[in-house]
Amino acid sequence: GAGVSQSPRYKVAKRGQDVALRCDPISGHVSLFWYQQALGQGPEFLTYFQNEAQLDKSGLPSDRFFAERPEGSVSTLKIQRTQQEDSAVYLCASSSRRLAAEQYFGPGTRLTVT
Amino acid sequence: KQEVTQIPAALSVPEGENLVLNCSFTDSAIYNLQWFRQDPGKGLTSLLLIQSSQREQTSGRLNASLDKSSGRSTLYIAASQPGDSATYLCAVFETSGSRLTFGEGTQLTVNP
Repeated sequence: GAGVSQSPRYKVAKRGQDVALRCDPISGHVSLFWYQQALGQGPEFLTYFQNEAQLDKSGLPSDRFFAERPEGSVSTLKIQRTQQEDSAVYLCASSSRRLAAEQYFGPGTRLTVT
Repeated sequence: KQEVTQIPAALSVPEGENLVLNCSFTDSAIYNLQWFRQDPGKGLTSLLLIQSSQREQTSGRLNASLDKSSGRSTLYIAASQPGDSATYLCAVFETSGSRLTFGEGTQLTVNP
């Protein structure tokens, strides 16, 4: 079946622009996670949804970052007034149960802020 | 705060060798540990998941072990092939949180 998909795969933004990154999880998966991966580093947690509820947003680096999952399926990560330090790969993952089930990752969106 | 360390950071081996990748974590209060593979420019592919109550998991040429009390896991790759070349990441899911915490990865190169 279809895996986790993300769009766009690549995004170039000028400093100060707003961007929106989309994640389509595996159908029926209740848990959805966003991670940020800087070059040469492991992914770092941003936020977690269980269905439409955002239960943990403690990893969001600033109030410029906002995530939503209004119908408990597709999720959007929005970054306002992008800065150069926001350049990274943004990974989305989903899992079939609450919390600690196996996570399946999408291909990521590579964001470059110029 | 949970910290995950992977050693070595990079490894280059000739084809056919058996090899071991190491992962250590500082807080043993975990639900599970997951090993991933990441190819350049790609997302993460789950290889093995070990629940906290398990000691090891096997899939094909891969075997992962977990010693929760000492905070260590190893990924054993038998008869390595050039197609195994990738970055291998381990991650733990803590009982106190809602996230995976990752190491920085081991970059493996298998030479033909």
